[in-house]
Amino acid sequence: EPEVTQTPSHQVTQMGQEVILRCVPISNHLYFYWYRQILGQKVEFLVSFYNNEISEKSEIFDDQFSVERPDGSNFTLKIRSTKLEDSAMYFCASTETGGGAADTQYFGPGTRLTVL
Amino acid sequence: GDSVTQMEGPVTLSEEAFLTINCTYTATGYPSLFWYVQYPGEGLQLLLKATKADDKGSNKGFEATYRKETTSFHLEKGSVQVSDSAVYFCALSEKETSGSRLTFGEGTQLTVNP
Repeated sequence: EPEVTQTPSHQVTQMGQEVILRCVPISNHLYFYWYRQILGQKVEFLVSFYNNEISEKSEIFDDQFSVERPDGSNFTLKIRSTKLEDSAMYFCASTETGGGAADTQYFGPGTRLTVL
Repeated sequence: GDSVTQMEGPVTLSEEAFLTINCTYTATGYPSLFWYVQYPGEGLQLLLKATKADDKGSNKGFEATYRKETTSFHLEKGSVQVSDSAVYFCALSEKETSGSRLTFGEGTQLTVNP
């Protein structure tokens, strides 16, 4: 069964460094998402992406974050200058069709980011 | 804004016990409702969903009914197994247009003992 994959599974970085988290969505999917979960807190929406542009973003997704689909398979989340509070599990997701309310989002296993 | 509230965990049950995990929501429109499950070391997997009032979602013996009058979507299973041990997340999605975000509850850790 096709699945969303994410690399790395765990990333450790120093505060102020840039990190890029990588995702490979399911191949025929059209909409892509990033979520994060700070330890002990809810899973929070960051951004959705379609047709090479951001469809929607949350208040968390400020100027230090960016997303890109550099080729036909990868979808990346870049954090330009990491802060301690960026430490979290980051999940990528994708949907096959229009990305509407009833569509199922398929999630990857997550990347645990630790900022020291 | 939209929000989802789940019963506080963790929940510990014996095998074959009855499971209920409560979920209530606040939304301005008519959301779709979901239960996701996260097994240890894995990502979030869709367990079941319901897209309109009175719909019942079901999968792997789990059920949840979309109750608009009580704004609830409680998860139930008649007889849990050790393999059901996981974290369960209730979620909603409201926007009908593209890129609809999921709003999640806090998650409920379920442990089933043999």
